Amino acid sequence: DQQVKQNSPSLSVQEGRISILNCDYTNSMFDYFLWYKKYPAEGPTFLISISSIKDKNEDGRFTVFLNKSAKHLSLHIVPSQPGDSAVYFCAASARNYGQNFVFGPGTRLSVLP
Amino acid sequence: DTEVTQTPKHLVMGMTNKKSLKCEQHMGHRAMYWYKQKAKKPPELMFVYSYEKLSINESVPSRFSPECPNSSLLNLHLHALQPEDSALYLCASSPGHLQETQYFGPGTRLLVL
Repeated sequence: DQQVKQNSPSLSVQEGRISILNCDYTNSMFDYFLWYKKYPAEGPTFLISISSIKDKNEDGRFTVFLNKSAKHLSLHIVPSQPGDSAVYFCAASARNYGQNFVFGPGTRLSVLP
Repeated sequence: DTEVTQTPKHLVMGMTNKKSLKCEQHMGHRAMYWYKQKAKKPPELMFVYSYEKLSINESVPSRFSPECPNSSLLNLHLHALQPEDSALYLCASSPGHLQETQYFGPGTRLLVL
């Protein structure tokens, strides 16, 4: 059973517009979340994180929103750029998981010029 | 230095071969990880070393044997692999406490014939 879900396998967005990538989780013990970006043939690159004590974290063009009651988080990219085209993974952890993160299946974002 | 390096980038091996994957980081991190990623799937945790001790083994077959010679190096020894073990093998590191961002290397693309 997938504990971290990214229900959109792919997303296409026009350059300059907002990209919204969604992530849902089932384990209420999860309290720390990361977003990673991955280009083909490269390792995942850390983008932004959020702890459950917050509902929003912002870093430049990237903002992550957390809705604990809905067990949902989203990554907003504004404005989207062609270089943002990649696979985006959501990852979650819980204190009793130690150093273990559970990754979602990923969403492939294509930003069209 | 904020980089995790992995060698080799690509590896082709037969089912009777013995080979090793290497990972190195010089960020002073005390936790290091091996992940396996199949095409269009999220990374799956294999092993975690914390302060040079194996802390997590996610029920990985014994044909995969990890080794952490020191806090900067992590090896994955491979022996008698199967074709279904073909995947991207990712190494990551983190400072060494709970729920910290993991920084990934570029991966080794392994093909077992």
